[in-house]
Amino acid sequence: GAGVSQSPSNKVTEKGKDVELRCDPISGHTALYWYRQSLGQGLEFLIYFQGNSAPDKSGLPSDRFSAERTGGSVSTLTIQRTQQEDSAVYLCASSLGGSREQYFGPGTRLTVT
Amino acid sequence: QKEVEQDPGPLSVPEGAIVSLNCTYSNSAFQYFMWYRQYSRKGPELLMYTYSSGNKEDGRFTAQVDKSSKYISLFIRDSQPSDSATYLCAITNAGKSTFGDGTTLTVKP
Repeated sequence: GAGVSQSPSNKVTEKGKDVELRCDPISGHTALYWYRQSLGQGLEFLIYFQGNSAPDKSGLPSDRFSAERTGGSVSTLTIQRTQQEDSAVYLCASSLGGSREQYFGPGTRLTVT
Repeated sequence: QKEVEQDPGPLSVPEGAIVSLNCTYSNSAFQYFMWYRQYSRKGPELLMYTYSSGNKEDGRFTAQVDKSSKYISLFIRDSQPSDSATYLCAITNAGKSTFGDGTTLTVKP
């Protein structure tokens, strides 16, 4: 079946603009995660959705970052008033349950100029 | 101190070598232990997944967990150029995974 998909694959934006990144998880997966990966770095946890529970937002770096998950499926990560330090690859992953192996999308490469 | 520390590398080995990749962790509540492989400009893909101390083998790959020492390893036997990638350990508790920073491996033909 289809894997996790993310769009756009690349996004170049000017400093101060808002951006929206989309994630379509694997059908039936109840858990969805967002991570950020800067060049040559590991994965930085941003936010975790599990079923109908309140999301774990403990990794969001500032109030400029927000995410929602509609209907338990598609998720959107929004970055307001983008800064150059927001430039990174944003990865989405989904899993069958919170402690199961995660399946990653290809990522969205965000460049803030 | 990070919750998960991974040997930084980079690592360069000749084809056919045995490779050892290692991570340590600090939180004994961690329950699940995973290794992911990430090729350049791609998302990570799961290689191995275990939740108990001991060894788990899958083809040329062996994952080893020592909960008493809070130490996990991934061994790659008969390494191939196609194994060249960044390897990430990940440890999970209460649904949330913490990743190591990754070790970049190059296998030279």
